[in-house]
Amino acid sequence: GAVVSQHPSWVICKSGTSVKIECRSLDFQATTMFWYRQFPKQSLMLMATSNEGSKATYEQGVEKDKFLINHASLTLSTLTVTSAHPEDSSFYICSAHQSGRSSYNEQFFGPGTRLTVL
Amino acid sequence: GEDVEQSLFLSVREGDSSVINCTYTDSSSTYLYWYKQEPGAGLQLLTYIFSNMDMKQDQRLTVLLNKKDKHLSLRIADTQTGDSAIYFCAESPYNFNKFYFGSGTKLNVKP
Repeated sequence: GAVVSQHPSWVICKSGTSVKIECRSLDFQATTMFWYRQFPKQSLMLMATSNEGSKATYEQGVEKDKFLINHASLTLSTLTVTSAHPEDSSFYICSAHQSGRSSYNEQFFGPGTRLTVL
Repeated sequence: GEDVEQSLFLSVREGDSSVINCTYTDSSSTYLYWYKQEPGAGLQLLTYIFSNMDMKQDQRLTVLLNKKDKHLSLRIADTQTGDSAIYFCAESPYNFNKFYFGSGTKLNVKP
């Protein structure tokens, strides 16, 4: 159990276009989902926290108008990179948490989405 | 965010023990975790330790926590080539909505 999927697994787009990445919890309801960004050979940087039915909370320095997050249901959160530019190229990872599921605040991670902006 | 630091690389021979170290700054950390990331993949939780513990063992994995020095280590016994990956430590303060990750240690296991 506790499987999180992401779609697509990789995407290449032209500069100026928008890209939507989906994160789904397949066998549990995720009360909270998190979006991370990982640069090559670097750690995960938390971008935002989203709770179902409410606005996402963005970390300092993350542009909320550029990285649109929607958590419309307990099993789906989406991240839309608007007007993508080459500097947005990165590995985007989501994770999901279900309140009360575990005693150690575990987050279940998706496999990641590799975004390349040409 | 809080600072979590790890050495970047570790190289060991197959069969040896690996010790990956991590230091953190948040004294209110409630849980500390070790995650494994294989190339092009997401993160897999290996083990975790609650802040009131000083050691946890799970098969080949041993986690040691020195809360006074804010130092966490992961020991992998009998390291195998399949253990080659990047290992991240992470800490979660009382407000669990924030996970702070270290930079990751790339473990290379030589046959």
